[in-house]
Amino acid sequence: DAKTTQPPSMDCAEGRAANLPCNHSTISGNEYVYWYRQIHSQGPQYIIHGLKNNETNEMASLIITEDRKSSTLILPHATLRDTAVYYCIVRVLSSGSARQLTFGSGTQLTVLP
Amino acid sequence: DAGVTQSPTHLIKTRGQQVTLRCSPISGHKSVSWYQQVLGQGPQFIFQYYEKEERGRGNFPDRFSARQFPNYSSELNVNALLLGDSALYLCASSLQGINTEAFFGQGTRLTVV
Repeated sequence: DAKTTQPPSMDCAEGRAANLPCNHSTISGNEYVYWYRQIHSQGPQYIIHGLKNNETNEMASLIITEDRKSSTLILPHATLRDTAVYYCIVRVLSSGSARQLTFGSGTQLTVLP
Repeated sequence: DAGVTQSPTHLIKTRGQQVTLRCSPISGHKSVSWYQQVLGQGPQFIFQYYEKEERGRGNFPDRFSARQFPNYSSELNVNALLLGDSALYLCASSLQGINTEAFFGQGTRLTVV
């Protein structure tokens, strides 16, 4: 799976949009971009994933650049409960392969009151 | 619906002892994966099981073993515990389809003294 690069930490004001970048310049055509987050002392929580089109769900939006070398996770109205470590993961999806997630160090997002 | 459940939540063991951690996946999920998360790092993949067969193994010593039962629950065993095995052990369940996400439990906090 392709390696990802994320900033180690970011701050965001409560109520504002949080934009978390991820670089995955070596991504292959069959690799998806996944985002998970981990609130302190809890298990990781799935947020969203995409291949090449922008995606939106009730939690967030995922913007993938046209060349797919980077992406941005957007939390439209951050709350204090969004304070967590956010992981960007790139992985191949195949029914025959092991389905492990390769976590990096992630970005510690702190939402400030 | 119940999520992924893990037991126990906390455990203290002595060096050299053996430990068994348990995981019950979400109903209907046939795939279970195990991850180790050392303090300050992202989770690291240990094993993945599907339909009681090992489908993937991470870079962990043979002291680590696992199995999956007919009801799709799983156990992770660690023998000859070392201080460095102290970590949060996470279980994740998923459907085996191509485009699905993993759901994590809250983890078992293992402390080796």
